[in-house]
Amino acid sequence: QSALTQPPSVSGSPGQSVTISCTGTSSDVGSSNRVSWYQQPPGTAPKLMIYEVYNRPSGVPDRFSGSKSGNTASLTISGLQAEDEADYYCSSHRVSGTYVFGTGTKVTVL
Amino acid sequence: EVQLVESGGGLVQPGGSLRLSCSASGFTFSSYGMHWVRQAPGKGLEYVSAITTNGDYTYYADSVKGRFTVSRDNSKNTLFLQMSSLRAEDTAVYYCVKCSSSSCFRGADYWGQGTLVTVSS
Repeated sequence: QSALTQPPSVSGSPGQSVTISCTGTSSDVGSSNRVSWYQQPPGTAPKLMIYEVYNRPSGVPDRFSGSKSGNTASLTISGLQAEDEADYYCSSHRVSGTYVFGTGTKVTVL
Repeated sequence: EVQLVESGGGLVQPGGSLRLSCSASGFTFSSYGMHWVRQAPGKGLEYVSAITTNGDYTYYADSVKGRFTVSRDNSKNTLFLQMSSLRAEDTAVYYCVKCSSSSCFRGADYWGQGTLVTVSS
């Protein structure tokens, strides 16, 4: 049950855009649109930011957007703000019926 | 307001047992799939276990299969995780997680605050 692969860290200045990749296989990310993204600020529980690849739950700023190509999903934060500094995790449903998280990416606002 | 409140965490010796509970409120508990997700200190998230709305299907990560049992009592709006034969590597914050629908295809929209389980002698 290997985790999906994410870069350990990404950084950007306020106002810039950053993109986090999430690479899996044809048995998870590549198999459906059941990919979600979670934000976890330090010391807090994760929060759902994107579901089904590109959909935002109510209340999530439109600065957050998701996409997918083949076995790789991506989360883009446009107009980076200080409050976006957190760990981000992707998650995917697997054809086996289970779920898997990504390895996590720390976003730093310079 | 949706609330998920975990309890039952604490310090336990290797080989011991612990039962976590998650009290749910603010939504129709019986209509939603539920998960347990854990996070070891300084590490990433790991799906531990899942259960369908009526409990007829359960899932376990390979790392806990045969040692952990998930269940739910829809009449009491409560989710459980019975943990036995605990190991040091089970040390983590355990989160109770609500799926956005009967399954987590659309993600998990509410998380509890987490309860810390420490396995140490």
